[in-house]
Amino acid sequence: GAVVSQHPSWVICKSGTSVKIECRSLDFQATTMFWYRQFPKQSLMLMATSNEGSKATYEQGVEKDKFLINHASLTLSTLTVTSAHPEDSSFYICSAPSRGGEKLFFGSGTQLSVL
Amino acid sequence: GESVGLHLPTLSVQEGDNSIINCAYSNSASDYFIWYKQESGKGPQFIIDIRSNMDKRQGQRVTVLLNKTVKHLSLQIAATQPGDSAVYFCAENSGYSSASKIIFGSGTRLSIRP
Repeated sequence: GAVVSQHPSWVICKSGTSVKIECRSLDFQATTMFWYRQFPKQSLMLMATSNEGSKATYEQGVEKDKFLINHASLTLSTLTVTSAHPEDSSFYICSAPSRGGEKLFFGSGTQLSVL
Repeated sequence: GESVGLHLPTLSVQEGDNSIINCAYSNSASDYFIWYKQESGKGPQFIIDIRSNMDKRQGQRVTVLLNKTVKHLSLQIAATQPGDSAVYFCAENSGYSSASKIIFGSGTRLSIRP
């Protein structure tokens, strides 16, 4: 089946620094990718929709200047958490839809811990 | 607004018994539903899906039932095994044939008693 690779799987950073998370579709092209955030014991909350070659679409309440999304190619989307603070510590997960768009394939997630 | 929720946050099942996980949704326009399994520290894994023009779909050891009248769906796992321990999410997608965003429910943790 389709594979979505996410890197890194975990990262620890100091408050105020920026962290970049990569999401790659390994054996298929994805013009759209989705970024989710998940706090402990909670569900996945959609943050934004990444669109290849155009601006990302952010969900209500998500700061676009803090969570920078770049979708420069058909197989790569990146999420950069800028000036990270402890409250940004969370599990970030990317996903890409199948060719028909009916199924989502998820990356393995990135656990971000901001000290 | 749209929401997809679950009746039970946790479920404990004897190994070998059948598990039933329930989910309620509020958006009557939703036409596609998916069940995901998430193990600790990992991304969600697709289990089974169902379109709104169906009321039942079966997979390997899993069955999804959809009741559009009461806006309810359930996931049945037959002969539950220790490897089934995980958090299960129902999700809805209002655009089956397009890359529409999928909204997740709150999740049910399934634990297996030996």
